[in-house]
Order: sequence, then C-alpha cells, then structure tokens
Amino acid sequence: GAVVSQHPSRVICKSGTSVKIECRSLDFQATTMFWYRQFPKQSLMLMATSNEGSKATYEQGVEKDKFLINHASLTLSTLTVTSAHPEDSSFYICSAEQGNYGYTFGSGTRLTVV
Amino acid sequence: AQTVTQSQPEMSVQEAETVTLSCTYDTSENNYYLFWYKQPPSRQMILVIRQEAYKQQNATENRFSVNFQKAAKSFSLKISDSQLGDTAMYFCAFMKQNDYKLSFGAGTTVTVRA
Repeated sequence: GAVVSQHPSRVICKSGTSVKIECRSLDFQATTMFWYRQFPKQSLMLMATSNEGSKATYEQGVEKDKFLINHASLTLSTLTVTSAHPEDSSFYICSAEQGNYGYTFGSGTRLTVV
Repeated sequence: AQTVTQSQPEMSVQEAETVTLSCTYDTSENNYYLFWYKQPPSRQMILVIRQEAYKQQNATENRFSVNFQKAAKSFSLKISDSQLGDTAMYFCAFMKQNDYKLSFGAGTTVTVRA
C-alpha cells in the first residue's frame, strides 16, 4: 500500500531556532500534500495545503512566514517552523493525496520547543 | 465551512461487544465524501472506512460498518466484535467533492476492555 514517511518523529529544539520536518511519499507521486497540527487528545487542524511546484495555501490564522512549506518535488514536502517558541510545541502530521480521494498520513512529528 | 460534530468524547466497550460512534455534519453540498479514521496510541492515522454521498448503500469493511443518513446528515460508525486492538481515537471527517481538504470532528476515544 501507499506509504508516507515523515521525519523526524521527535525533535527538541531551543527557542528561537528553526526546525524542518520532511514528508515523503515513498511509492507514489503526490501533487498535493497537507500539513496538520494536533494538540494532545484533540482533533487535527489543517494548517496548509502544499502543492508541487507552487506556493502553499494556508488556512486562516496560520502564519505563512512562521510555517514555511516547500513542495519542490512530487514526493517531498517540507514544513519549517521558523523562530520556534514554546507555544509551537505540538504534534505535526502530514498527509498525501494519492488520487481518487485517498489519503495516506505520515506517522507524525512531536515538536518540543524549550 | 463544513462542521463535523462528534458528541461522544469517550466510549468504553467490552471485548467482543459492539459499539456505535456518532457523527453529524453540516453542509449545503450535495456531493461529498465521509470518512472514519482511527488513531491508535502510536498516533498513526489509519483509514477505517469511507462513504461517497451519492451511494445509498452503507459502506462496510469487515467488522466496521456505517449508518449513513444523508437527509439527517448523520454518519455513525459501528464496530462489531470489538477487539483490544480497536482501542484508539476515532475521527469522523468530511470532504467536499473536488476540494481535497478534510475537515475532522473532535474525535471519540474508544477503549476496549478485556
């Protein structure tokens, strides 16, 4: 089946630094990928839609300069949390659209900013 | 914007018994897709079942089945013969046709007791 690899699974960074999270579709091409944020025991909140070769589309209230998304190839999308602060600590999940309204999710990244 | 409501934050069920999770949604669209996703403690999102709104027949997937009531905008999930491995958070999700963005409900935590 379709697999989406997300790395790192966990990261701890210092306040003020930037962190990059990668999302790769391993056995299919993904024109569209999605980035979500999830707080403990809460739902997934869509942050942005990542489109290969074009700018990402951000949801209302999500700072695009804070959460930089790059989708340079059909198999890779990256999310960079810039100048991270403790309030950015969360669980980030990516998903890839694989056609026919099917979605495969990455295993998530737990970000802790200290 | 579409709203997905899961009114049961937590459910507990005895192993081998049946549990039903409720989901309602609000939309003015006629063509759309509904999903149930499972998120076990590993936090990997797993598709449980999917329903196309234009199909009257309720989707089934082994021990999982849905009761789709389009007029009532209701999409409940029934888990039969519950197993310990079914313990997870379950999310109901909605997607407009050709939109590709999923809107998730708040989730229901299901605990299967031995």
